[in-house]
Amino acid sequence: GAGVSQTPSNKVTEKGKYVELRCDPISGHTALYWYRQSLGQGPEFLIYFQGTGAADDSGLPNDRFFAVRPEGSVSTLKIQRTERGDSAVYLCASSLSPEPDPYNEQFFGPGTRLTVL
Amino acid sequence: KNQVEQSPQSLIILEGKNCTLQCNYTVSPFSNLRWYKQDTGRGPVSLTIMTFSENTKSNGRYTATLDADTKQSSLHITASQLSDSASYICVVSVLASGGSYIPTFGRGTSLIVHP
Repeated sequence: GAGVSQTPSNKVTEKGKYVELRCDPISGHTALYWYRQSLGQGPEFLIYFQGTGAADDSGLPNDRFFAVRPEGSVSTLKIQRTERGDSAVYLCASSLSPEPDPYNEQFFGPGTRLTVL
Repeated sequence: KNQVEQSPQSLIILEGKNCTLQCNYTVSPFSNLRWYKQDTGRGPVSLTIMTFSENTKSNGRYTATLDADTKQSSLHITASQLSDSASYICVVSVLASGGSYIPTFGRGTSLIVHP
């Protein structure tokens, strides 16, 4: 595809359920980022992958959140025992290579809107 | 306190007018500063990228400035168009403990352009 795609575009779930959010990065991009954006706020960093490994997961809020990228392409963000406070738009971005190239640009997907009832 | 502060929070202008959005940051060490445009329901799209050694960068009607000494940046939009209505987000990349550069996002300025 031409850009970063995310599925589903919308997800409604009940408190306590498990959800998976998928991100398809731009082909050939080695770096992949997950962000969470609450209403009226800027995106908040969650985790980033370089290839298959999580290079920095310092933004994950707690151990209910987990992400994988087993083949270095598609990534899945997994949320266990969802809470109402998890409701947000989850954005994925990919870049050709990670920083510190200062001109390295991240390309964002449209996001998945998660609503926990 | 957010390490990237933007002002104003929202702004309404008439089509054809110019406007300037502000970004102040406290994060360090500084790698680069980006301005993004985010349309409602879409992911952010990069407008400009600047390193600490750059003072200004233009992209069409968008001009970003950076003063790394005072840790301030601005985004100037010239001859605004209705399609400029969006949220404009300032992003500063910082060096994280793991040696990677992680972006810190401001909350954005919501710009509405009226005909």
